[in-house]
Amino acid sequence: GAGVSQTPSNKVTEKGKYVELRCDPISGHTALYWYRQSLGQGPEFLIYFQGTGAADDSGLPNDRFFAVRPEGSVSTLKIQRTERGDSAVYLCASSNRDRGLYNEQFFGPGTRLTVL
Amino acid sequence: AQKITQTQPGMFVQEKEAVTLDCTYDTSDQSYGLFWYKQPSSGEMIFLIYQGSYDEQNATEGRYSLNFQKARKSANLVISASQLGDSAMYFCAMREGPNFGNEKLTFGTGTRLTIIP
Repeated sequence: GAGVSQTPSNKVTEKGKYVELRCDPISGHTALYWYRQSLGQGPEFLIYFQGTGAADDSGLPNDRFFAVRPEGSVSTLKIQRTERGDSAVYLCASSNRDRGLYNEQFFGPGTRLTVL
Repeated sequence: AQKITQTQPGMFVQEKEAVTLDCTYDTSDQSYGLFWYKQPSSGEMIFLIYQGSYDEQNATEGRYSLNFQKARKSANLVISASQLGDSAMYFCAMREGPNFGNEKLTFGTGTRLTIIP
């Protein structure tokens, strides 16, 4: 079946602008995760949803970052007043507690965000 | 302290040779899971192998095996008979707590593996 998809694949914006990044998880996956990967680094956890609710948002760096998953499927990561330091690849992953043997996370291709 | 440490930023290996990618971890939890992911130049993270803290045997998946040394807190990935397609970044990651509790993964900084024909 289809994997995790993310749109757009690339986003260039200007400092101070608002951006939305979208994630479509694997159908039926109840858990959804957002990570941020800066150049030369491993992914860093941002937020985790179980169903519609954010079960852990401890990785969000500040209140400019917000994420929603209103119907328990698609999720949107929203960044207000973007800063140059927000430039990174934003990765989305999903997993299914009921079927995954190890609860492994399946990742999308990421959205490369560039803030000028 | 870093929770996941990968000390090899880059490695070059001859095709068909075996390669070991190092990973050490730091946690006070008794229950945890260790994962290895591969990230080709396309950017997508591909799950390779998993080792649970209570698993007594080292995990194996095809050409991948995990050399788990719990007392030393190391979880090295071994790739046998390397292929050109193995060239990629490799990340070690840890989930602290039981398998279906705390869900977030903590990643290391990765090792870039290049297979030489």
